Amino acid sequence: GAGVSQSPRYKVAKRGQDVALRCDPISGHVSLFWYQQALGQGPEFLTYFQNEAQLDKSGLPSDRFFAERPEGSVSTLKIQRTQQEDSAVYLCASSPGLDPYEQYFGPGTRLTVT
Amino acid sequence: RKEVEQDPGPFNVPEGATVAFNCTYSNSASQSFFWYRQDCRKEPKLLMSVYSSGNEDGRFTAQLNRASQYISLLIRDSKLSDSATYLCVVYTGGFKTIFGAGTRLFVKA
Repeated sequence: GAGVSQSPRYKVAKRGQDVALRCDPISGHVSLFWYQQALGQGPEFLTYFQNEAQLDKSGLPSDRFFAERPEGSVSTLKIQRTQQEDSAVYLCASSPGLDPYEQYFGPGTRLTVT
Repeated sequence: RKEVEQDPGPFNVPEGATVAFNCTYSNSASQSFFWYRQDCRKEPKLLMSVYSSGNEDGRFTAQLNRASQYISLLIRDSKLSDSATYLCVVYTGGFKTIFGAGTRLFVKA
């Protein structure tokens, strides 16, 4: 079946622009995660949704970052007024149950802020 | 101190070698542990869970040492296709997933 998909795969933004990154999880998966991965580092947790509820947003680095999952399926990560330090790969993952185990990752969106 | 630490490597080993990685964690309340594999410019994929009693899957063995707060991954009879970055994952309750920075493995012919 279809895996997790993300769009766009690549995004170049000028500093100060707003961007929106989309994640389509595996159909029926309850849990959805967003991560930020810098070059040479492991993924850093940003936020977690259980259906449409955002239960943990402790990893969002600033109030410029905002995520939503209004109908409990597709999710959008929005970054306002992008800065160069926002350049990274943004990964989305979903898991079928209420626990965070067995996460399936999308291919990521590579964001470059110039 | 980082919550999860890994030797970044790289580990360069010949085909057929046995190689082991460790991952240390700082929070003694950590409950669940996993290993993920990430190929260059690809997404992470779950490799295996780590149980207190150990876990073996073919050539891969994962173990947990709670007293010393580390987990390990052993790969026997390394293949060229094992070349990747190996990420350890720790959960300390809740949903926050903590990844290590990863250990890079290169298996050469």
